[in-house]
Amino acid sequence: DAGVTQSPTHLIKTRGQHVTLRCSPISGHKSVSWYQQVLGQGPQFIFQYYEKEERGRGNFPDRFSARQFPNYSSELNVNALLLGDSALYLCASSLHPGGNQPQHFGDGTRLSIL
Amino acid sequence: DAKTTQPNSMESNEEEPVHLPCNHSTISGTDYIHWYRQLPSQGPEYVIHGLTSNVNNRMASLAIAEDRKSSTLILHRATLRDAAVYYCILRPSMNRDDKIIFGKGTRLHILP
Repeated sequence: DAGVTQSPTHLIKTRGQHVTLRCSPISGHKSVSWYQQVLGQGPQFIFQYYEKEERGRGNFPDRFSARQFPNYSSELNVNALLLGDSALYLCASSLHPGGNQPQHFGDGTRLSIL
Repeated sequence: DAKTTQPNSMESNEEEPVHLPCNHSTISGTDYIHWYRQLPSQGPEYVIHGLTSNVNNRMASLAIAEDRKSSTLILHRATLRDAAVYYCILRPSMNRDDKIIFGKGTRLHILP
């Protein structure tokens, strides 16, 4: 069975541009979460969506936005890119929210800002 | 959110068991104990989770103290592929945003 897939795997942008990252959850999973991982640190929570509804947002500026589609795939959008946005962006999916549900992660999109 | 405390790093020899400790003295009664690991250049990988009883799966075993203030992830026979950062995480049974709070984890080195 396919795991969580993310595209693209790598991306290079310049300051001020915008970017869209995509995530396909494991088949049957309805909950999708996004995380940012800066080099040398653990992942930081950005958003969580369940049944197309935003259920949580981490401490990130409004330049970051996301949505979930009827097929449960998701997009993360970042506007007005800054050098500090360079990071690995991870998507995770689970059947539904809850502490008894493992989250399964993709291998991420590595975003580099020049 | 309840916090966990893990050693920064550990070493183990290949083909020997590894016991990774985690302290979580402020755990609440409805918090699940999860373990994830992250290999180089990959996303975090779910390993195991439990609430009160010890758990076993194909990857590892999870031993939970009777008072639930600590737990131990057990890799029964370490291989070089097990070299990774291991995260011990508490997740409430029901939390609207379902976020995972990652700490610094334990970097496990496997010696051939």
